[in-house]
Amino acid sequence: QVQLVESGGGLVKPGGSLRLSCAASGFTFSGYYMSWIRQVPGKGLEWVSFISSDGTAMKYADSVEGRFTISRDNAKNSLYLQMNSLRAEDTAVYYCAREVKTAGYWGQGTLVTVSS
Amino acid sequence: DVVMTQSPLSLPVTLGQPASISCRSGQGLVHSDGNTYLNWYQQRPGQSPRRLIYRVSNRDSGVPDRFSGSGSGSDFTLKISRVEAEDVGIYYCMQGTHWPFTFGQGTKLEIK
Repeated sequence: QVQLVESGGGLVKPGGSLRLSCAASGFTFSGYYMSWIRQVPGKGLEWVSFISSDGTAMKYADSVEGRFTISRDNAKNSLYLQMNSLRAEDTAVYYCAREVKTAGYWGQGTLVTVSS
Repeated sequence: DVVMTQSPLSLPVTLGQPASISCRSGQGLVHSDGNTYLNWYQQRPGQSPRRLIYRVSNRDSGVPDRFSGSGSGSDFTLKISRVEAEDVGIYYCMQGTHWPFTFGQGTKLEIK
């Protein structure tokens, strides 16, 4: 069955960096667009970024453009999110999701807390 | 950005009774490929979101048939024919037609 397992979250100071990973299994990873979506605890959902199946195309929300970089390694069935210049407002649970327009499967999420 | 407006935001329902959630988009959601990318998600307490309905009315595998989606253009509805205790949670609509993709504010369903 489809499994998406995020890791790499934690506590980081404002201005710091963090790299999130998402390990995929149960499907042909290289055949799907992948996304990162975040949720401030107790609040709504915000699409952060997505990447094409071959890793050549990506889009970012305005709120993270220039600070976050999405990437993937199809040989390792893994998705990544490099987060730099982190701000307090980036505090959220970060989910990886399979597909883009229909986001059919989500991982369990990893919590990122940006605080001094 | 396309604003997705859900109503109601709170939905107390008696077990066995029907429930309905409305989702309106700030612009039409028909994609240039002809599809309408309007999806519905359920988030149970302490869990990640789970897709129930994709492209307006297609129910996901394993989703009970008491859940149904309908609508067109910019006006969409999720209906639960008979609410069960396991349906408690927050329901979100999401549009995948216009970037950035956006979610509704969420509708919290609780048992009365």
